[in-house]
Amino acid sequence: DAGVIQSPRHEVTEMGQEVTLRCKPISGHNSLFWYRQTMMRGLELLIYFNNNVPIDDSGMPEDRFSAKMPNASFSTLKIQPSEPRDSAVYFCASSPDGGNTEAFFGQGTRLTVV
Amino acid sequence: AQKVTQAQTEISVVEKEDVTLDCVYETRDTTYYLFWYKQPPSGELVFLIRRNSFDEQNEISGRYSWNFQKSTSSFNFTITASQVVDSAVYFCALRGGSNYKLTFGKGTLLTVNP
Repeated sequence: DAGVIQSPRHEVTEMGQEVTLRCKPISGHNSLFWYRQTMMRGLELLIYFNNNVPIDDSGMPEDRFSAKMPNASFSTLKIQPSEPRDSAVYFCASSPDGGNTEAFFGQGTRLTVV
Repeated sequence: AQKVTQAQTEISVVEKEDVTLDCVYETRDTTYYLFWYKQPPSGELVFLIRRNSFDEQNEISGRYSWNFQKSTSSFNFTITASQVVDSAVYFCALRGGSNYKLTFGKGTLLTVNP
């Protein structure tokens, strides 16, 4: 079975540009999470979707960040405009039952904003 | 509030040594779940184990074993006869019973030298 698929794996962009990260969760999973990993803050939850509906976006750092889940098999995380402090590894994860069990993570997208 | 503490930032061992990674947690939930994830140099987060708060039985899976002690709020992870391929950052995580959010520790970098 395919795991969580994220694209791109690496993204280098200039400050001010729009960045879109993509995620395909595991088929049949109804919960999707976006996490960000930095050296300073570790792993932190940005947003949580359940059945394609955003349930908790309190971790989204600023209005520059937005996330969508138009259907059960696709989600995007967009940063517009990007800033150097957004440089991090962004992980997408999914779980089968509202987050009641373990979350399975994708390979992450390493974002560098110069 | 929930908190996970991994006091060991880095551990270095020689192959075939046993090594224990410590994890101490704080939560006010009476039902909660504990997890360990592995992050190898390639960057992905790999799920290793989930433990429920009402099940204090220790678990063994091959060279891996986990010791859950509610009395000391600890969920330690032991690798027996370590191998170079075990080199990774290991994260302990906690989820409250009524919550979907994973709270991660800062991680322990394990280096196994040949």
